[in-house]
Amino acid sequence: EVQLVESGAVLVQPGGSLRLSCAASGFTFSPSWMHWVRQAPGKGLEWVSRSNRDVSNTLYADSVKGRFTVSRDNAKNTLYLQMNSLRAEDTAMYYCAGEFGNWGQGILVTISS
Amino acid sequence: DVVLTQSPLSLPVTLGQAASISCRSSQSLLHSSGNTYLSWFQQRPGQSPRRLMYQVSNRDSGVPDRFSGSGSGTDFTLKISRVEAEDVGVYYCMQGTHAPPWTFGQGTKVEIK
Repeated sequence: EVQLVESGAVLVQPGGSLRLSCAASGFTFSPSWMHWVRQAPGKGLEWVSRSNRDVSNTLYADSVKGRFTVSRDNAKNTLYLQMNSLRAEDTAMYYCAGEFGNWGQGILVTISS
Repeated sequence: DVVLTQSPLSLPVTLGQAASISCRSSQSLLHSSGNTYLSWFQQRPGQSPRRLMYQVSNRDSGVPDRFSGSGSGTDFTLKISRVEAEDVGVYYCMQGTHAPPWTFGQGTKVEIK
């Protein structure tokens, strides 16, 4: 069974940093393109970032470019999202998704003082 | 960026009746490869998104055949032939032809009358 499980800190002050993890199992992780997608409370879906198999070609939404960094450890079947200079508007449920075909349960990140 | 416009935004339906959701793109979604990267997602209340269709009309594994996708160019449709109670939720279209960024429609909320 394919599983994607997000974890990480959930409450951070504006200007702060946090790292999200996404542990994958049940499929061949290393060649998979992995995405982060977020959903602000009561809002729609917003694509955030994509990692190719070896992070040689990472992509970001303009709204997070220069602040967020995606990485992965293929030996641990884990995807990461380092989030810096966080703003209130980054408050959202963050999902990792494998080529959009498999999604994690999401983790709610709140940016608030 | 490609803008996807869904209609209607709210769709009350009677159990057993058909339902149709439109997704219109600001640009043709026909890729130079000959493929059209338009997907549909279902998000049930309190759950993560789940992909139903990819490349317009290919149903994901486990998706009931009452769901079908059609369209080309800039106009696409998701149809549910006979709505069941478990179909309640928000439906999103997403394009990957002109990624990055991958972009989503605003979402269509399907509810039972």
